[in-house]
Amino acid sequence: NAGVTQTPKFQVLKTGQSMTLQCAQDMNHNSMYWYRQDPGMGLRLIYYSASEGTTDKGEVPNGYNVSRLNKREFSLRLESAAPSQTSVYFCASSEGGSGKTQYFGPGTRLLVL
Amino acid sequence: AQSVTQLDSHVSVSEGTPVLLRCNYSSSYSPSLFWYVQHPNKGLQLLLKYTSAATLVKGINGFEAEFKKSETSFHLTKPSAHMSDAAEYFCVVRTGAGANNLFFGTGTRLTVIP
Repeated sequence: NAGVTQTPKFQVLKTGQSMTLQCAQDMNHNSMYWYRQDPGMGLRLIYYSASEGTTDKGEVPNGYNVSRLNKREFSLRLESAAPSQTSVYFCASSEGGSGKTQYFGPGTRLLVL
Repeated sequence: AQSVTQLDSHVSVSEGTPVLLRCNYSSSYSPSLFWYVQHPNKGLQLLLKYTSAATLVKGINGFEAEFKKSETSFHLTKPSAHMSDAAEYFCVVRTGAGANNLFFGTGTRLTVIP
């Protein structure tokens, strides 16, 4: 039982390049989330998927797209990376519903030059 | 409006002494409150959560937190710090239904001095 896994662990991009961050969970959770973590700030929600087949914007969705590929996988895509997207990205999952505990992956460190 | 405030960005304690990490929240909705710990280069791990049951919540690794509605606080404590407790700690509040109503504090970095 690996929990929430993320790939890659590290990535360096040039401005304008695109990439997809992968996330998978093996806990049969309905809901999945993407956050970014920046120095001196709490985690901020980018997008979430309350259940398979649905996605919704979070607090900071601009510049990102997501795909809920199936119940296990939730990917985050940067179509044209910008230096402001340099951050640590965390994927999380939960059973769904208010108050349910979220379980986090180990994160992806992204540097955009 | 800030929903959660962690009052200290950095706390330093000696090994074996008590730990106090402070968190205040604001919510017109009956909140759920969480503490997460993040070790270097790792994801966040749940320490404990309050969801309107007992106001004193016990978590993993000897941590506990008390929900005080009158003070709008949810401070994290541990009687005796261990070197392995050195990490970043996040207070999180859910102010309503839905993923957009989950707010993370800015974190408190705990240093444990041998």
